[in-house]
Amino acid sequence: EVHLVESGGGLVQPGGSLRLSCAASGFDFSIYAMSWVRQAPGKGLEWVSAISASGGSIFYADSVKGRFTISRDYSKNTLYLQMNSLTVDDTAVHYCAKGTARSFSSYGMDVWGQGTTVTVSS
Amino acid sequence: SYELTQPPSVSVSPGQTARITCSGDALPKKYAYWYQQKSGQAPVLVIYEDSKRPSGIPERFSGSSSETMATLTISGAQVEDEADYYCFSSGFGTGTKVTVL
Repeated sequence: EVHLVESGGGLVQPGGSLRLSCAASGFDFSIYAMSWVRQAPGKGLEWVSAISASGGSIFYADSVKGRFTISRDYSKNTLYLQMNSLTVDDTAVHYCAKGTARSFSSYGMDVWGQGTTVTVSS
Repeated sequence: SYELTQPPSVSVSPGQTARITCSGDALPKKYAYWYQQKSGQAPVLVIYEDSKRPSGIPERFSGSSSETMATLTISGAQVEDEADYYCFSSGFGTGTKVTVL
């Protein structure tokens, strides 16, 4: 069974940093694109970042470009999201999601984790 | 990502058909996916690649896509289908709250 477990969320002050992790199991991690999706309180879903199966192609939403970095570790079957220069607008539940293909372009996600909450507040 | 527009809400009575539209200029070139999100839960995929249904999703869920619009249809909606629904095609739609009562 495919399983995604996020961790690393918490309370951080504006301007601070956090690194989210997503431990994947139950599938061949090396042949699927992976994404991070977030949802601010009471708001809709926002596609934050994605990385292709090979790691050679990466997407960032304009709202996080230059501040967030996505990466993946094939030896640990783990996806990461390094978040720097956090603002109150980054407060959200952050979900990890498995892609349906090697590329994220033109394709979506099929399995989601339960999410980890990031709260940016002074 | 691309702009995708959905109606804010759709209401149906149990057993009726609910249709949720998703409008976007990029839809003719890219697949549409549909996600169901119940309160306090992670999203669940209900339709992928425009019209395919994942295993475990009831047959009453179906999808179609034509030109710049994708449609999710719930035929014979049940009370348990009450949720927020989002389309995705290189970006998420604005979301539709489906009420069944």
